[in-house]
Amino acid sequence: SQTIHQWPATLVQPVGSPLSLECTVEGTSNPNLYWYRQAAGRGLQLLFYSVGIGQISSEVPQNLSASRPQDRQFILSSKKLLLSDSGFYLCAWSIITENSPLHFGNGTRLTVT
Amino acid sequence: SQKIEQNSEALNIQEGKTATLTCNYTNYSPAYLQWYRQDPGRGPVFLLLIRENEKEKRKERLKVTFDTTLKQSLFHITASQPADSATYLCALCQQAGTALIFGKGTTLSVSS
Repeated sequence: SQTIHQWPATLVQPVGSPLSLECTVEGTSNPNLYWYRQAAGRGLQLLFYSVGIGQISSEVPQNLSASRPQDRQFILSSKKLLLSDSGFYLCAWSIITENSPLHFGNGTRLTVT
Repeated sequence: SQKIEQNSEALNIQEGKTATLTCNYTNYSPAYLQWYRQDPGRGPVFLLLIRENEKEKRKERLKVTFDTTLKQSLFHITASQPADSATYLCALCQQAGTALIFGKGTTLSVSS
């Protein structure tokens, strides 16, 4: 069966520090991969999605970036965090069929202080 | 731009009643719509998908309708239980080949 791992579960970082969140998927090949952010009162916001290694689509201009160095690995990064980057970061995967559902990880709660 | 509205931020009902949640969208005609459940501190979990040519979809106590004329989907939970308490999200694609976008969700509380 397929599983998705996200870490860390919680993170407290000072403003201006770098960020690296990692997500890996097991049990499937060539998945679509996604990063969403959920801020208080704002719902799920799509940040990045990837349909293959090295292929990243960015939805929102910001100081975050994403990379997909391996087929089942998706990394979210920032060089300098802002207070507004605080939130609940969720990684998800789906098969490549257009209407396939998303399978989410358990998320990372990031607090920028 | 595409907009998804889940009209109620919170819905409180008594155990045994039917909960009805609403999802409205504008400026697009999606081929399908999805519903998810999210518990506090966890990622959303997929519940149901309904296509534009399906008026209704059922799964156990869950029922989803899709009215493309009204641009609205209704999500029903019959014989609700306290364990159904969670936030429910609707989602659709802006256009073919793009990722899902989500509504803000409706938080359902079922009291015993």
